[in-house]
Amino acid sequence: DVKVTQSSRYLVKRTGEKVFLECVQDMDHENMFWYRQDPGLGLRLIYFSYDVKMKEKGDIPEGYSVSREKKERFSLILESASTNQTSMYLCASRDTGWVVFKYFGPGTRLTVT
Amino acid sequence: GIQVEQSPPDLILQEGANSTLRCNFSDSVNNLQWFHQNPWGQLINLFYIPSGTKQNGRLSATTVATERYSLLYISSSQTTDSGVYFCAVSGTASKLTFGTGTRLQVTL
Repeated sequence: DVKVTQSSRYLVKRTGEKVFLECVQDMDHENMFWYRQDPGLGLRLIYFSYDVKMKEKGDIPEGYSVSREKKERFSLILESASTNQTSMYLCASRDTGWVVFKYFGPGTRLTVT
Repeated sequence: GIQVEQSPPDLILQEGANSTLRCNFSDSVNNLQWFHQNPWGQLINLFYIPSGTKQNGRLSATTVATERYSLLYISSSQTTDSGVYFCAVSGTASKLTFGTGTRLQVTL
């Protein structure tokens, strides 16, 4: 019954590395979202995508980019990881026309040293 | 954008106690959801409640849209209720804006 998966639960990277976080959904949803979660700040939207090859900036896109080459996969890219990108990253997907967010991935806890 | 404030930030309860969590938001919304994040990080949707009242077992929620707040009630709390509770809203934009959460710990 897996709906939204993320490539890693825990990831440790060094400062300056290029990091890829992958999110895959099996529900044929058009919309996909990347959030980061930090203590005391809740979840903040980094980027989202309405469809293949389409992307929109969220509230905190600086230092990140995304790729959506296939409908089921939405990748978050840290071009040059920094320690302030140490965080929990969550992916979500939703079908166009839905209002309710129901499907979130399990999260990737990224540590940049 | 819409601002979302949650209170209290932290809450410790003994098993069996009741609690009320509050969410204030700064503008009219077409979506308001309450989520529970379990200790393993998984977010679970509890309620979709842009207005009115809903109940699901020991949990219930009320949103007063005209006054821009929502309440989540937890009755007879259990240790499995521990975790972080988030309120999240969206207005005309499709993106969901989260509050900073209430961390709940239920002790024996």
